Amino acid sequence: KQEVTQIPAALSVPEGENLVLNCSFTDSAIYNLQWFRQDPGKGLTSLLLIQSSQREQTSGRLNASLDKSSGRSTLYIAASQPGDSATYLCAAPPNDYKLSFGAGTTVTVRA
Amino acid sequence: GAVVSQHPSWVICKSGTSVKIECRSLDFQATTMFWYRQFPKQSLMLMATSNEGSKATYEQGVEKDKFLINHASLTLSTLTVTSAHPEDSSFYICSAGQGTRSTDTQYFGPGTRLTVL
Repeated sequence: KQEVTQIPAALSVPEGENLVLNCSFTDSAIYNLQWFRQDPGKGLTSLLLIQSSQREQTSGRLNASLDKSSGRSTLYIAASQPGDSATYLCAAPPNDYKLSFGAGTTVTVRA
Repeated sequence: GAVVSQHPSWVICKSGTSVKIECRSLDFQATTMFWYRQFPKQSLMLMATSNEGSKATYEQGVEKDKFLINHASLTLSTLTVTSAHPEDSSFYICSAGQGTRSTDTQYFGPGTRLTVL
C-alpha cells in the first residue's frame, strides 16, 4: 500500500521568502506525481502534474521536482506571497487507478 | 475552465437520518466521478468511483449500503449517507474526470461539510 508523507505538517514564513515543501512516498513505481492546493473548507486545485518519466515541472513561481528512485518530490514556491497561504497536498498514485494523498503541509505567509 | 459544484456546501443532521450530497460537472461531461472523505488534518481518502450508468466501485472498508452512490448522468453523481451517525461527520469532496482513471486530470468540487448530531 502506498504511503505518502509530507513534512513539515505546517510552515510559517515572512512574505518574500522561498518555500520548500517535501513529499515522500514508499512505492516508487508511481504513475505520476501531483501537487494540489487546498484553501480552508474548500476543494482541491491542481497545481502541477509530473509524469513518471519527467524530473520536474514548472508553472510560474512554482517548480516541482521528482526523484522516483529516492521516493521524493519537492515543491518550490518562489518569492512567497500572503495569497500562497493554504494547505498543499501531494498525491503519488502507484498505479493508474487511485490517487494516494499525503496529509498536507499548511503554509502561512506573513505579510 | 472545468467547474465542479457540490450541494449542499454544509449540512447538519440528526443521528439516524439520511443525507444526500450532489456533485455536478457544470461545463463538461464527466465519464467518471470520484468521492473522497477527509478528516481534519488528514489525507483525502478515496471512497468510491462511479461511472455513468453503472454501479459504483467502492474502496476496501467502505460500506456500500451506508454510502449509496448514484451516477445518473454524465454531469451528476449523488452520495447518500444513510442512517448517519456522528462518526460519519466529515468533509466529503467529489471530483470529476473525463477519463476512466483517478490519475487522469480530475476537477474537484468545493466539498460538503457534514455534521451529524
